[in-house]
Amino acid sequence: EVQLVESGGGLVKPGGSLRLSCAASGFTFSDAWMNWVRQAPGKGLEWVGRIKTVSQGGTEDYAAPVKGRFTISRDDSKSTLYLQMNSLQTEDTAVYYCTSGSVEGYWGQGTPVTVSS
Amino acid sequence: QTVVTQEPSLTVSPGGPVTLTCASSTGAVTSDYFPNWIQQKPGQVPRALIYSTNKKHLWTPARFSGSLLGGKAALTVSGVQPEDEATYYCMLYHGADQVFGGGTKLTVL
Repeated sequence: EVQLVESGGGLVKPGGSLRLSCAASGFTFSDAWMNWVRQAPGKGLEWVGRIKTVSQGGTEDYAAPVKGRFTISRDDSKSTLYLQMNSLQTEDTAVYYCTSGSVEGYWGQGTPVTVSS
Repeated sequence: QTVVTQEPSLTVSPGGPVTLTCASSTGAVTSDYFPNWIQQKPGQVPRALIYSTNKKHLWTPARFSGSLLGGKAALTVSGVQPEDEATYYCMLYHGADQVFGGGTKLTVL
């Protein structure tokens, strides 16, 4: 059974930092592009960023609103994806989903992040 | 900044067909945009239905199909069921970026 389990969400003050993790199982993590997607309360889905496989260079790409503040990384030995979020703003408040690449189509349950003073 | 546009809402009768569309502000949507369709029911986690225009996941019901139609990506549901009531998002690859549409809320009445 495929599982993507996010953790690390919570309440943080504006300007603060948070690190999300996503533990994957049930598929070959090292062969998959991995993404972070977020959903603000009552809003639609927003792509945050993506990391390719190590064999493809491990290239990261980010959406404009988070570029320079967020960093995606992966540890294939632990089948775990990370999202380091710095300089958090109130508009970053959302549920953050870990997803595999389009071919696999897997989504995690999400972890909520609230940025508020 | 690229904008992906979907119908905000559609209403369909049970058993009927419905087609949702997805347009790009950059021009005609082609297979090079690798259109994806994602379903989200109220209070639930999103679920991928279609990738690369028309490829289905193992869990995708047969009544869902993807295509290109008149310069847009399209999701057709043939024989809509009450449980298909949900918001449907398309997602397009624009170079290095991935962009979601605003979603179509499908009501089954």
